[in-house]
Amino acid sequence: SYVLTQPPSVSVAPGQTARITCGGNNIGSKSVHWYQQKPGQAPVLVVYDDSDRPSGIPERFSGSNSGNTATLTISRVEAGDEADYYCQVWDSSSDHHWVFGGGTKLTVL
Amino acid sequence: EVQLLESGGGLVQPGGSLRLSCAASGFTFSSYAMSWVRQAPGKGLEWVSAISGSGGSTYYADSVKGRFTISRDNSKNTLYLQMNSLRAEDTAVYYCAKLTDTYSSSYGPPFDYWGQGTLVTVSS
Repeated sequence: SYVLTQPPSVSVAPGQTARITCGGNNIGSKSVHWYQQKPGQAPVLVVYDDSDRPSGIPERFSGSNSGNTATLTISRVEAGDEADYYCQVWDSSSDHHWVFGGGTKLTVL
Repeated sequence: EVQLLESGGGLVQPGGSLRLSCAASGFTFSSYAMSWVRQAPGKGLEWVSAISGSGGSTYYADSVKGRFTISRDNSKNTLYLQMNSLRAEDTAVYYCAKLTDTYSSSYGPPFDYWGQGTLVTVSS
């Protein structure tokens, strides 16, 4: 089955740029979605189809996807961005199902 | 406003059964595929199952295939997850989620709305 690999943690100072990666075999050929989850809350979709933003999500959140790595970029990081972030893809290689990455804890220093 | 409200969680013994429900409102329920996603305590997200808007197509994660059954009642705007032969490793918060679009063999849309989840604990 398809595996998505994320770094367990990323730390960044307020006002700086955070980059959270999601690795997978030829992930550039898939559509990647990203979710933000704060403690005790349900996940929130922040980027879909590699680089699109749902309404209400700040422009500070952006995404890219190429080769074997997809990246969620958060510009001008704020304290409120501290959360777990998960990438997700649709795997149709063997059986049809969604796959989540293991998640990355973003810490704002 | 889209709302998803899960219910039916609780404590169940290994080998037991439980049925989760997800009451939906604020959108045309029958027009959208729905899914269940779970999260074990302190762990990441795990996709569990999905169903098309009509209910005619369903998918399951390997970890639950043959034990869980997803269904929907479009007349009641409600999604279900029947869980049988429960194991300790099924302990998790179960979320229902709405998909932005229908899925196909080549595209799996994102989940744009999520409920707050219901906790299932499998323990003797």
